[in-house]
Amino acid sequence: SQQGEEDPQALSIQEGENATMNCSYKTSINNLQWYRQNSGRGLVHLILIRSNEREKHSGRLRVTLDTSKKSSSLLITASRAADTASYFCATAGNTGGFKTIFGAGTRLFVKA
Amino acid sequence: DGGITQSPKYLFRKEGQNVTLSCEQNLNHDAMYWYRQDPGQGLRLIYYSQIVNDFQKGDIAEGYSVSREKKESFPLTVTSAQKNPTAFYLCASSIEYQRGSEQFFGPGTRLTVL
Repeated sequence: SQQGEEDPQALSIQEGENATMNCSYKTSINNLQWYRQNSGRGLVHLILIRSNEREKHSGRLRVTLDTSKKSSSLLITASRAADTASYFCATAGNTGGFKTIFGAGTRLFVKA
Repeated sequence: DGGITQSPKYLFRKEGQNVTLSCEQNLNHDAMYWYRQDPGQGLRLIYYSQIVNDFQKGDIAEGYSVSREKKESFPLTVTSAQKNPTAFYLCASSIEYQRGSEQFFGPGTRLTVL
């Protein structure tokens, strides 16, 4: 069964606005990662947050992790048209192996 | 230039044919992965390899085969036994399999069955 599930499935915002995407998962994890995929391309790693961390920043990206709720959020501040892409969360388990499981993604469209 | 490459970018196959997708990395990573992505969907793991000369089935291995004879290469063969092979195939690598390390992805191969 799929571990990470993103919400919303699709998001459309104006340039300059903030974009928030959420990810929920089912079992305990070692870390959670966020990736970006431009249409027809490979995925690009954005940020990794470990299970003992609560918040992480990278440029305009802010990721939070709440292990008690088994959820994470990705915030992109001051969005740009170039941020238009699909965003995936991926969870790496810590029991029965370290398999990384990807969610179905959130499709973000930033209008100029 | 360090990275991971896939070839070809587009591949067309007739029904009943086997095809092999290439994946090469020069990142000196131990672990490599093959994923399948269908339109509007997430990634599903086909096979992975933790180290050279070793590989394991993922969630959807039926109709696929791999080899890992060299550290830098992890080719995927889509056999005629795969009933619905039209998809976008992504190869990835990571420093190690343990601890769910960050994965580096290739640009993908789009396979279409005619």
